[in-house]
Amino acid sequence: AQRVTQPEKLLSVFKGAPVELKCNYSYSGSPELFWYVQYSRQRLQLLLRHISRESIKGFTADLNKGETSFHLKKPFAQEEDSAMYYCALSGLKQTGANNLFFGTGTRLTVIP
Amino acid sequence: DGGITQSPKYLFRKEGQNVTLSCEQNLNHDAMYWYRQDPGQGLRLIYYSQIVNDFQKGDIAEGYSVSREKKESFPLTVTSAQKNPTAFYLCASQPQGGTEAFFGQGTRLTVV
Repeated sequence: AQRVTQPEKLLSVFKGAPVELKCNYSYSGSPELFWYVQYSRQRLQLLLRHISRESIKGFTADLNKGETSFHLKKPFAQEEDSAMYYCALSGLKQTGANNLFFGTGTRLTVIP
Repeated sequence: DGGITQSPKYLFRKEGQNVTLSCEQNLNHDAMYWYRQDPGQGLRLIYYSQIVNDFQKGDIAEGYSVSREKKESFPLTVTSAQKNPTAFYLCASQPQGGTEAFFGQGTRLTVV
């Protein structure tokens, strides 16, 4: 069964410190992994996806198939990074339809 | 202006009443989802639909019902059987193929 686990509900770091938000997944096939972010009073939006291998707002995430992880990292946290972060998994079913599953989320607070 | 729209933004309901939350998208997406967001529990999938006139139960479907008569619309009815309906409800749509999902602004339902 598919599952996304984010072990930390809350994470606080000081401005300028490195930050890592953990995400582990279980899926029998080859899923696509995402990080979504929800800033205060804004809608949930895509931050980055593993297939694009890009850095968005200084964040990166590498898919580690051996460890089934997709941790989100940023070397120097900024106050504007304070938000709720969700790791998500999308996988194709045998029918060809896709599903989208989310972890429980991590609330990141960057302390000035 | 393309996007996904949820209405109303705030909704109050008396105990024992059914209420319907609207979700409309003009992105021509095949898949649509309803999630419930509670503090500390992240996003939990209520129902999803991959195609018109077809939908599937998610993890917490009890006390909810949906319909998908049109590609653009995926209304969610919170019935009186839902024991704890007060929550923030998010609707999302996704094109076929497992790529980025787009979210509405959400509806906050309060039972009084």
